[in-house]
Amino acid sequence: DARVTQTPRHKVTEMGQEVTMRCQPILGHNTVFWYRQTMMQGLELLAYFRNRAPLDDSGMPKDRFSAEMPDATLATLKIQPSEPRDSAVYFCASGLNPYNSPLHFGNGTRLTVT
Amino acid sequence: AQKITQTQPGMFVQEKEAVTLDCTYDTSDQSYGLFWYKQPSSGEMIFLIYQGSYDEQNATEGRYSLNFQKARKSANLVISASQLGDSAMYFCAMRPSGYSTLTFGKGTMLLVSP
Repeated sequence: DARVTQTPRHKVTEMGQEVTMRCQPILGHNTVFWYRQTMMQGLELLAYFRNRAPLDDSGMPKDRFSAEMPDATLATLKIQPSEPRDSAVYFCASGLNPYNSPLHFGNGTRLTVT
Repeated sequence: AQKITQTQPGMFVQEKEAVTLDCTYDTSDQSYGLFWYKQPSSGEMIFLIYQGSYDEQNATEGRYSLNFQKARKSANLVISASQLGDSAMYFCAMRPSGYSTLTFGKGTMLLVSP
């Protein structure tokens, strides 16, 4: 059963530190998404890649967040420097391009910034 | 822009009863996909069911069915014969054809009691 793999599952860090989250999308999926989930805001789109090209990162705070896909098997989301307000669950999801295809989510990275 | 509205923050149902979770959406796209996801307390996002905007029949997947009323822009999830394991947060989401990201509602927390 193909799955989206995210690492780490949990991360606790101090304010100001760099955080890197990794995602291995399902083989063959050509779209990759990063979402952030908080109690207040719900699920927010941070970044969206199609065929490894970034198509939308308007949801990301540009000064501290960056998202990349160095190859088809790896997507990364970095926060530098991290702040307490970044504490959230970060999900990676992958899917095929057509709108009638569901996205498949990883188990998420629970980030706590103290 | 797309918008998903889930007006029920929480729902209670007894085991073996049916329950309907409401979802309305707003889009100017003619082609779009509607999805429901389940998020149990463990945190993963599980895809449940899909309905295409041009599908004439309501989608069904086991105990899940989608009551799709296109003119009213509603896509309600019906769970028949509720089980204790159905207790979770449920999210309605939409993916339009022109912009392939998934937009989520705020979710409905379903609690199934014995």
